[in-house]
Amino acid sequence: DGGITQSPKYLFRKEGQNVTLSCEQNLNHDAMYWYRQDPGQGLRLIYYSQIVNDFQKGDIAEGYSVSREKKESFPLTVTSAQKNPTAFYLCASSMSNTEAFFGQGTRLTVV
Amino acid sequence: QKEVEQNSGPLSVPEGAIASLNCTYSDRGSQSFFWYRQYSGKSPELIMSIYSNGDKEDGRFTAQLNKASQYVSLLIRDSQPSDSATYLCAVNGNRDDKIIFGKGTRLHILP
Repeated sequence: DGGITQSPKYLFRKEGQNVTLSCEQNLNHDAMYWYRQDPGQGLRLIYYSQIVNDFQKGDIAEGYSVSREKKESFPLTVTSAQKNPTAFYLCASSMSNTEAFFGQGTRLTVV
Repeated sequence: QKEVEQNSGPLSVPEGAIASLNCTYSDRGSQSFFWYRQYSGKSPELIMSIYSNGDKEDGRFTAQLNKASQYVSLLIRDSQPSDSATYLCAVNGNRDDKIIFGKGTRLHILP
């Protein structure tokens, strides 16, 4: 089955902890993206990657880090520097300059 | 800073009528334009992609693009209660493969 898989679906983080959200795709897409969505808001771009071993900051990269060691994988780490991490995190992938397809999302809550 | 603007709504439309959703974008070099539908608590799903000026029809949906006016719209004919959702406009700048989303328009179809 082709698609984008995010895990976990729900994640709870204690104050001061780093957590990593997984995103895997088997669509052979070149580009991958991470977005954050707050209640009643649109999608804000955190990081994106057009090719393996390269990635660029989006509009709200502070407090987040990513890696792109394999074409299929684009994990996002939410660091302790992110002061308000509670949100819905969406990973997407696309072929260059075409539409993006999304995973089912990870809902992160700080406890 | 590239921007994509949408009216947040809610837009209320009677069942069976035409719903019209609008979007403007700031980057004149943008080449690819997308409409997504997002139900509450779910990830966005692609409805339409449009790449050239004019209209593109797919079933009850028609996307319209006017690059000179930097304007893209989505028409939904014969609106159904199941069309009640948030509709997100997205734009790909082409040069950097960065997909930027508007904040979305909430559409409510009145039975």
